[in-house]
Amino acid sequence: DAGVIQSPRHEVTEMGQEVTLRCKPISGHNSLFWYRQTMMRGLELLIYFNNNVPIDDSGMPEDRFSAKMPNASFSTLKIQPSEPRDSAVYFCASSFFQGNSPLHFGNGTRLTVT
Amino acid sequence: GESVGLHLPTLSVQEGDNSIINCAYSNSASDYFIWYKQESGKGPQFIIDIRSNMDKRQGQRVTVLLNKTVKHLSLQIAATQPGDSAVYFCAESPRNGNQFYFGTGTSLTVIP
Repeated sequence: DAGVIQSPRHEVTEMGQEVTLRCKPISGHNSLFWYRQTMMRGLELLIYFNNNVPIDDSGMPEDRFSAKMPNASFSTLKIQPSEPRDSAVYFCASSFFQGNSPLHFGNGTRLTVT
Repeated sequence: GESVGLHLPTLSVQEGDNSIINCAYSNSASDYFIWYKQESGKGPQFIIDIRSNMDKRQGQRVTVLLNKTVKHLSLQIAATQPGDSAVYFCAESPRNGNQFYFGTGTSLTVIP
C-alpha cells in the first residue's frame, strides 16, 4: 500500500534558481497539503487543496512560492527564485476529507539553497 | 543577530517505563486532535486521534487524554521501547475543517 510519495528526497540548489518539489498523494484521497518544517518555526501549513482546488494559501510565504494540483494524483510546489532562507524540509500530506480525517505524510524533500 | 530555534522539550525515560507527553492547544474551537510520531529523516506518522466529544481513547500501548476545560492533550505510552524514541507532535483541527496546526513537538529518548 503506497503512501504519499515525494520527490526528490534531497535538493541542493544555488540562490536564484527555480526549485520544483513533487508529490503524489495516496490514491483516493481528496485533500492535499504542503507543509514546511524548520528549526525556527516548526511545522507550518503552506497551502492545501480539496478536490484539486486551492482552499487556503495564506501560509505561502510570498509570491516566490506557488503550488498547483493539475489532477488528483499529482501536485507541485515551486519556488522561483529560491533564497537561502527557503532551506527547510518540505512535506506533502494527503487525507480523505469527510469531516476530520488524519493526514498521511510523505517523507519530505530536504531543500538546501546556497 | 543570532538566530534562535524553537526550544524543543525533551523527555528521557528508561526502557520499560511509561511515558507521558503533554501538549497545550490554544484554539477552543478545535474539535479534532491527533498525535504524530516523527523519526529522523521521515515524515510525521499518525499514532492516535481523538474527537472533542471524548476525553480518553486507547490504542495499542498508547492512550490519549483530552481536557477541554484547560485545553490540554496528553499522550501516554506504556512500557516504552527504544523504538519509541522520536519527536512527538500534537495537532489540532477545527470542527469540520481539514487543516491541521501543529505544536512544537517533544523529543522522547528511551534509555535502554
